Amino acid sequence: AAGVIQSPRHLIKEKRETATLKCYPIPRHDTVYWYQQGPGQDPQFLISFYEKMQSDKGSIPDRFSAQQFSDYHSELNMSSLELGDSALYFCASSFLGREKLFFGSGTQLSVL
Amino acid sequence: AQTVTQSQPEMSVQEAETVTLSCTYDTSESNYYLFWYKQPPSRQMILVIRQEAYKQQNATENRFSVNFQKAAKSFSLKISDSQLGDTAMYFCAFMSGNQFYFGTGTSLTVIP
Repeated sequence: AAGVIQSPRHLIKEKRETATLKCYPIPRHDTVYWYQQGPGQDPQFLISFYEKMQSDKGSIPDRFSAQQFSDYHSELNMSSLELGDSALYFCASSFLGREKLFFGSGTQLSVL
Repeated sequence: AQTVTQSQPEMSVQEAETVTLSCTYDTSESNYYLFWYKQPPSRQMILVIRQEAYKQQNATENRFSVNFQKAAKSFSLKISDSQLGDTAMYFCAFMSGNQFYFGTGTSLTVIP
């Protein structure tokens, strides 16, 4: 069965650069969530989208933006990267906003 | 590939009663960690309890305890003396190296 696809799996950037993370939800899922998990930390909720509209906002920095496209995939754009942005970024998807949440394998971002 | 399975999408329990949430996983790794996270409506992920695979003793954290059966690859969460504030989604998660995998969640409702 198709799962949540995140790309790239690994990303290395320099400080002050820009990064774009992509998330492809399970087909027919209409809700996407983004989480950031720093080393040894709990996953932190960043933002979510339902039917291409932002539905919830968590601790997403102003340097980050995200959107959900017409095909329901989502992109997390991160600008002016800082060392502290190094983390595992998870995307999850669900149908009708809740019920089961399916997580992707994450994108490991390293900022040097 | 690692997988985490939570076979109970929804559960309910009377206040002050005990409830057990199931989680099974599949891995060929010998060193890994298992977690239970609580997700309230705020979407945050709150660590409930953590278990190192090399430890035979089941982890306990106040009213929360786990039944870790390594051979059976089972990691259930027992909540004793359930409280209304325990109402949330609960996610089982597996970590080995840099890889992190979540189950699909169990929605727990504590009934007054």
